[in-house]
Amino acid sequence: QTVVTQEPSFSVSPGGTVTLTCGLSSGSVSTSYYPSWYQQPPGQAPRTLIYSTNTRSSGVPDRFSGSILGNKAALTITGAQADDESDYYCVLYLGSGISVFGGGTKLTVL
Amino acid sequence: EVQLVESGGGLVQPGGSLRLSCAASGFTFSNYWMTWVRQAPGKGLEWVANIKQDGSEKYYVDSVKGRFTISRDNAKNSLYLQMNSLRAEDTAVYYCARGLSAFDIWGQGTMVTVSS
Repeated sequence: QTVVTQEPSFSVSPGGTVTLTCGLSSGSVSTSYYPSWYQQPPGQAPRTLIYSTNTRSSGVPDRFSGSILGNKAALTITGAQADDESDYYCVLYLGSGISVFGGGTKLTVL
Repeated sequence: EVQLVESGGGLVQPGGSLRLSCAASGFTFSNYWMTWVRQAPGKGLEWVANIKQDGSEKYYVDSVKGRFTISRDNAKNSLYLQMNSLRAEDTAVYYCARGLSAFDIWGQGTMVTVSS
């Protein structure tokens, strides 16, 4: 069974930069997994940030960027703001119609 | 406005059935794969099922195979999830989302509670 791994929690200072990662329990993440990233503020539906590794969804500020770092997908937030405090989820597409979510990272801005 | 609106959630007893609907508007529904994602209380997001544009391909997470059926009606711009043999662990907010490998539009979700 494929498990997608994310840091359970992370904190960043206002104005700071943070990089969240998305890995596989076995193997490396590549662009072939079409990694995507979602932001979910408390009590709200998810919002799409990044798809196909590094393409920002419409309306997403360029403070959010996606990449592959080493053997993981990564979401970097620069100039962190208070309203960036949310849960962040990655998704990897395994092929044959199947996608898997990571467990999510709770980001605190303080 | 591009929009997805889920409905059909509620309280159901273990072993019971429920049918969720997702009404799409503002885009050509028949051009897109569609997906159901769920989130148990206090837990993360879980991919549940998806369906190809013409309904010819459907995929499910192992935990719902044989119990849930995804379908769509392109004439009505609607996506469905028939849930049978419901279990307590199916309790979650169910979201419909547009896409296959990434999900660019999300509904607000509908809550399903399985409890006696």
